[in-house]
Amino acid sequence: GQSLEQPSEVTAVEGAIVQINCTYQTSGFYGLSWYQQHDGGAPTFLSYNALDGLEETGRFSSFLSRSDSYGYLLLQELQMKDSASYFCGVGQAGTALIFGKGTTLSVSS
Amino acid sequence: DAGVIQSPRHEVTEMGQEVTLRCKPISGHNSLFWYRQTMMRGLELLIYFNNNVPIDDSGMPEDRFSAKMPNASFSTLKIQPSEPRDSAVYFCASSSDLAGSEQYFGPGTRLTVT
Repeated sequence: GQSLEQPSEVTAVEGAIVQINCTYQTSGFYGLSWYQQHDGGAPTFLSYNALDGLEETGRFSSFLSRSDSYGYLLLQELQMKDSASYFCGVGQAGTALIFGKGTTLSVSS
Repeated sequence: DAGVIQSPRHEVTEMGQEVTLRCKPISGHNSLFWYRQTMMRGLELLIYFNNNVPIDDSGMPEDRFSAKMPNASFSTLKIQPSEPRDSAVYFCASSSDLAGSEQYFGPGTRLTVT
């Protein structure tokens, strides 16, 4: 079978660094994606990792370890506007992306 | 580009009525995905198309749901008859790759069935 686990909630303060983990179990894995969704909005693409290692895009970075079936999204210099839900999605052969349940990030001042 | 376009943005209907949701993907994208999002179930993939052909419809909850993609620029998701438990936000997304590692979502249709 396939499964995706990510924390349901994370809280942090402005300026801090937060890491949202995602562990998965699937066959035919070929990549991990991250999406952000603000309340009342649509998911928006953040990053995609097909290879092991860290991908950096501004304040956001995403990491993948294929051997550990694990990845994370790292958000630095947190801002209030980063308060949102974050979804990891697993790409696997023969089917479309499967999303996790999402992590709600609350940033306070 | 205008992005993925969905209509209507909001739909309120009575149980038993037919509901049709519409989607126009980003021009040039050859994969299209329909999702349903609720608090309880999260973001569920219902069906996806590649080059207008349905690839996987295993997420379609039951026979009351059907989807079509008659051409590269238009898709519909139909629920007939609708039930209160179908109330959710329905998203359409498109991508330039088959599995949709990088998808672009429409604004969604908020469906309420009373």
